[in-house]
Amino acid sequence: QKEVEQDPGPLSVPEGAIVSLNCTYSNSAFQYFMWYRQYSRKGPELLMYTYSSGNKEDGRFTAQVDKSSKYISLFIRDSQPSDSATYLCAIAGGTSYGKLTFGQGTILTVHP
Amino acid sequence: DAGVIQSPRHEVTEMGQEVTLRCKPISGHNSLFWYRQTMMRGLELLIYFNNNVPIDDSGMPEDRFSAKMPNASFSTLKIQPSEPRDSAVYFCASSLARTSGRFFGEQYFGPGTRLTVT
Repeated sequence: QKEVEQDPGPLSVPEGAIVSLNCTYSNSAFQYFMWYRQYSRKGPELLMYTYSSGNKEDGRFTAQVDKSSKYISLFIRDSQPSDSATYLCAIAGGTSYGKLTFGQGTILTVHP
Repeated sequence: DAGVIQSPRHEVTEMGQEVTLRCKPISGHNSLFWYRQTMMRGLELLIYFNNNVPIDDSGMPEDRFSAKMPNASFSTLKIQPSEPRDSAVYFCASSLARTSGRFFGEQYFGPGTRLTVT
């Protein structure tokens, strides 16, 4: 079993839709949870970063962590064509705080 | 700030040749990471350094891969000899480790080097 599982999609939605992206993880020692966005032929860029459980909101983006279920989510409200990218969840903690473990990434397309 | 700088951006080489990828981290950052990304395996951590010292190289696939960080502003990833299965995009990332606690902080990625080995 992989430490982090993420459905690669692809996911295609109309402009204005609410998008839900999810990851599950296996190690309960993980404490830091991140979402990165990667445009085609670019490096990943950090979108959201949360510690432990709970929600965090930043504009149209909301990150949610449920440590009891080992489940993390990213919600995008009022999605825009410019949101079209690959979204990667990343998790850190446990025995090696320096190491980020990434999900496979979900390819999202928002069509006008 | 210029961000993480990687060179070259593209590299095409023949099997058996030596390949050297270069990275300049963000000034002031004290941690540096080398990743490889492929469609099949996603984004994989190869090695990371803290204060120029290698901390975890368990992701380095084989002895053909080696990485160095001679100073805080420069790192190299070398593949010798290269093989077609090494074809991938190689990313360098840097972060500022917190002085309290062990978390290495948010990582900032470079644009990547697209390597093709024929």
